[in-house]
Amino acid sequence: DAGITQSPRYKITETGRQVTLMCHQTWSHSYMFWYRQDLGHGLRLIYYSAAADITDKGEVPDGYVVSRSKTENFPLTLESATRSQTSVYFCASRETGLNTEAFFGQGTRLTVV
Amino acid sequence: GEDVEQSLFLSVREGDSSVINCTYTDSSSTYLYWYKQEPGAGLQLLTYIFSNMDMKQDQRLTVLLNKKDKHLSLRIADTQTGDSAIYFCAGAAGGGNKLTFGTGTQLKVEL
Repeated sequence: DAGITQSPRYKITETGRQVTLMCHQTWSHSYMFWYRQDLGHGLRLIYYSAAADITDKGEVPDGYVVSRSKTENFPLTLESATRSQTSVYFCASRETGLNTEAFFGQGTRLTVV
Repeated sequence: GEDVEQSLFLSVREGDSSVINCTYTDSSSTYLYWYKQEPGAGLQLLTYIFSNMDMKQDQRLTVLLNKKDKHLSLRIADTQTGDSAIYFCAGAAGGGNKLTFGTGTQLKVEL
């Protein structure tokens, strides 16, 4: 199926564990993004990538790691999960250009207990 | 970077107009966007406006841009219950590809 998919949709993990959230897009868009959504903060950018093997920090990168070995995949890893990382995580992709639409995945609801 | 602010909640009656406001700090965004998020879903692009425009109309949606005050608004005419959602404004500082989103406005449409 064409589009952008995230997995898992829901995840509960314990403090200190490593967790990886997956994101896959089928359009070969150059740009991919990870956002977290928290009440009162809207969407905050964690990391983004302009192309395979090119990643850069966003507004709130601490505690997260990303990689982009293939254009279509952009996994986000929480190296040692903390309760403050409980959130809804959205992956997005966008083609290069000033007015191109950003397409979002359905989100991953992560709870750290 | 870009800072984008919105009020958190708006409640309107079905059939009325809704106006959702947004203020931003970086005037270098070439385009400004409105996204809609329905419950349990990701964001979807509603409309966008080029920074050289003052207004854009798209069916029930009207976007107004006041560059002097760095103020963006989205008007939804004849608001329906299906319009209940969270609405985000967004811009890309320096006209780049990295979108910065506002805090989101939750629109509740009452019968």
